[in-house]
Amino acid sequence: AQSVTQLGSHVSVSEGALVLLRCNYSSSVPPYLFWYVQYPNQGLQLLLKYTSAATLVKGINGFEAEFKKSETSFHLTKPSAHMSDAAEYFCAVSLYNNNDMRFGAGTRLTVKP
Amino acid sequence: DSGVTQTPKHLITATGQRVTLRCSPRSGDLSVYWYQQSLDQGLQFLIQYYNGEERAKGNILERFSAQQFPDLHSELNLSSLELGDSALYFCASSLGFSYNEQFFGPGTRLTVL
Repeated sequence: AQSVTQLGSHVSVSEGALVLLRCNYSSSVPPYLFWYVQYPNQGLQLLLKYTSAATLVKGINGFEAEFKKSETSFHLTKPSAHMSDAAEYFCAVSLYNNNDMRFGAGTRLTVKP
Repeated sequence: DSGVTQTPKHLITATGQRVTLRCSPRSGDLSVYWYQQSLDQGLQFLIQYYNGEERAKGNILERFSAQQFPDLHSELNLSSLELGDSALYFCASSLGFSYNEQFFGPGTRLTVL
């Protein structure tokens, strides 16, 4: 079965600094990978997804992620953090041969002024 | 607005009781997923239905059950409730293929007293 591991349950950055949220996946077949964001008291919202096309995926709100098969990673980055980016971020994986999406434990991003 | 609706938004009940949570998927989506989110367990996949049939099962307790109706709305039934069942319950929907992102509803917050 597939799984993802998010390194770091809490990440704190200053406004304007680089955001890097780490995600490593495990799967026996090529995966589909997703990043979701959850703002307080809301449901999850898709930021971006990788479905075996370009390895560098651009999402909403200036976020992007790069699929690296050799490192089994799909880290999320944003060049310059904004206060509004403070939220919880979830990495998720699914496989072509099942519809069972598995989520990581989440990383809470704090942005300091 | 994701297009996924969940009712009720909040539910307060007592231990031992039974409740039903309702979800209406986005128009055109055939798959419905249920998740439980709590502070200690994180986001847990419970169960998936596709076009009325159970497709995948996650960490769903035997006291919990779900179904998807011909009009594609879904209900999650929680019985013999315990204090530990207090959580946010999310419904998500997708077209039904593993590379399709899931769209999340706003959630139902269940409090068991």
